[in-house]
Amino acid sequence: GAVVSQHPSWVICKSGTSVKIECRSLDFQATTMFWYRQFPKQSLMLMATSNEGSKATYEQGVEKDKFLINHASLTLSTLTVTSAHPEDSSFYICSARGFRAMNYEQYFGPGTRLTVT
Amino acid sequence: RKEVEQDPGPFNVPEGATVAFNCTYSNSASQSFFWYRQDCRKEPKLLMSVYSSGNEDGRFTAQLNRASQYISLLIRDSKLSDSATYLCVVNSRNAGNNRKLIWGLGTSLAVNP
Repeated sequence: GAVVSQHPSWVICKSGTSVKIECRSLDFQATTMFWYRQFPKQSLMLMATSNEGSKATYEQGVEKDKFLINHASLTLSTLTVTSAHPEDSSFYICSARGFRAMNYEQYFGPGTRLTVT
Repeated sequence: RKEVEQDPGPFNVPEGATVAFNCTYSNSASQSFFWYRQDCRKEPKLLMSVYSSGNEDGRFTAQLNRASQYISLLIRDSKLSDSATYLCVVNSRNAGNNRKLIWGLGTSLAVNP
């Protein structure tokens, strides 16, 4: 199957700093990328959907000025958590969908575990 | 009511057992359905899509009942390696009319020796 990478796999940062997470599709061109967040014992929650070259569509309740998404190319999307706080500590997972994706299948990155102290 | 509901379990079964998971969804316009598997502290991985006619992949069988808005997953001859959380997923559309996946909370399965 298609490969999606995320970097970093884990990060610890101090409250008030910003953290950037990269999501790359390694062997296909991702027209759409999705950013999810998962808290312990919770289901995956979609934060935003981004299409290459256009602004991301954020889900209700997700602050677009806090979670900055850039999808500048068909293989790279970035999520920047600005002014991170302890409540932003979570597992952030990206997924990507490429051209002619069958049945809307998404390929997931391995996730980034963010801890804000 | 949650858009996708699952029994969180946990289901504790012995090796070789048959176990079934159920899932209901609220949006009758949903068109695509999936079962994903998620291991602890890992990303979810697609197990199988669910088709209207039902489909089977080895020891796994998925069923869809559109009238009842109900999806099931049956695992036969459980293996220790089947221990994981099984996520029921349906598609929907968000405010930007983009298709998005709606995730259930997951059903935890522990297969014991």
